[in-house]
Amino acid sequence: EVQLVESGGGLVQPGGSLRLSCAASGFTFSAYSMSWVRQAPGKGLEWVSYIRSSGTTIYYADSVKGRFTISRDDAKNSLFLQMNSLRDEDTAVYYCARAWRPYDCWGQGTLVTVSS
Amino acid sequence: EIVMTQSPATLSVSPGGRATLSCRASQSVSTYLAWYQQQPGQAPRLLIYDASTRATGIPDRFSGSGSGTEFSLTISSLQSEDFAIYYCQQYNDWPPWTFGQGTKVEIK
Repeated sequence: EVQLVESGGGLVQPGGSLRLSCAASGFTFSAYSMSWVRQAPGKGLEWVSYIRSSGTTIYYADSVKGRFTISRDDAKNSLFLQMNSLRDEDTAVYYCARAWRPYDCWGQGTLVTVSS
Repeated sequence: EIVMTQSPATLSVSPGGRATLSCRASQSVSTYLAWYQQQPGQAPRLLIYDASTRATGIPDRFSGSGSGTEFSLTISSLQSEDFAIYYCQQYNDWPPWTFGQGTKVEIK
């Protein structure tokens, strides 16, 4: 069974940092591109970042560029999102998603709350 | 950036009824259009990709159509588990991958 499990969310003050993880299982992780998508409370879906299967191509939404860093460790079947200089508007549930057709599998999400 | 606009914002349908949701792109996305269903407190689930292809395990009461800038999702006979929020997403021109704002299908 294909499964994605996020972790690392929590409460952080504005300007702080947080690192999210996504553990993948049930498929050949190294063969797939991956993305992070977030959803602010009561709002719609917003694409955040993408990393190609090879790790050589990376994209960010303008809203997080320069503050967030996506990475992957294929040996550990894991995807990461390092989030720095967090702002109130970064408060959201963060989902990792397998980037196939176009997002065929999603994790359950991890909540990030940025508040003082 | 391609802007996706969904209508209506809320659709009230009786169980067993038919629901038709619309999605419009600000420029052509060919057939690179997906639909997702999201239940309260859950992750989105892929329903339709390439505008009209059902994802694995999706029942045939869900159907998608359209190309270019106009798309629709039809649920032919609404079951209790179908009352949810539905999002469209384009993947023709990226980054960014963009989503519509969602249509809530509620019980009438």
